[in-house]
Amino acid sequence: QKEVEQNSGPLSVPEGAIASLNCTYSDRVSQSFFWYRQYSGKSPELIMSIYSNGDKEDGRFTAQLNKASQYVSLLIRDSQPSDSATYLCAVNEGGSEKLVFGKGMKLTVNP
Amino acid sequence: DVKVTQSSRYLVKRTGEKVFLECVQDMDHENMFWYRQDPGLGLRLIYFSYDVKMKEKGDIPEGYSVSREKKERFSLILESASTNQTSMYLCASSSSYYGYTFGSGTRLTVV
Repeated sequence: QKEVEQNSGPLSVPEGAIASLNCTYSDRVSQSFFWYRQYSGKSPELIMSIYSNGDKEDGRFTAQLNKASQYVSLLIRDSQPSDSATYLCAVNEGGSEKLVFGKGMKLTVNP
Repeated sequence: DVKVTQSSRYLVKRTGEKVFLECVQDMDHENMFWYRQDPGLGLRLIYFSYDVKMKEKGDIPEGYSVSREKKERFSLILESASTNQTSMYLCASSSSYYGYTFGSGTRLTVV
């Protein structure tokens, strides 16, 4: 069974700090990597996708991918209280579009 | 934007009832998925479909079936609802490795 592991958390950071979320995956042939944000009681929302090694930046969010280490991370700069949510890492399984999700990391940004 | 619509936000059903959960997407996506999400267990795949009239079992298909008669609609059926099927049910659709778009979810309670 393909696995995606996230630190169990929770993670608490002060407003304005950098939040770092990490994820490892077991399937070496995975090609697509995603971060979803899920507010309490809501459904997951796609915030970042990354397909190549290196960094991808979008506003305050940076996704980092290292396929050799089978590691993907999400950095949130200048964290805001509105970033408080559970963040889910997702990786495609083999050559398919089926995603395997981590169990999520709950982030709290304190004002 | 892709819109994925789940027919009910909250449902309460009795043990033994046959339950239908409907999901419709409006962007001509080939792939559709049904997950359930439970605290501590994360997102678990029930069934998925890559094309009309095509279905494949996910990780936890027992007690469920699905129907995809039209490309835009993917239905989840609980043949005989049980209390251990009380959960949040999430439908998603995708195309071309761009990640999933989720519906708003159905919180099902079986009493």
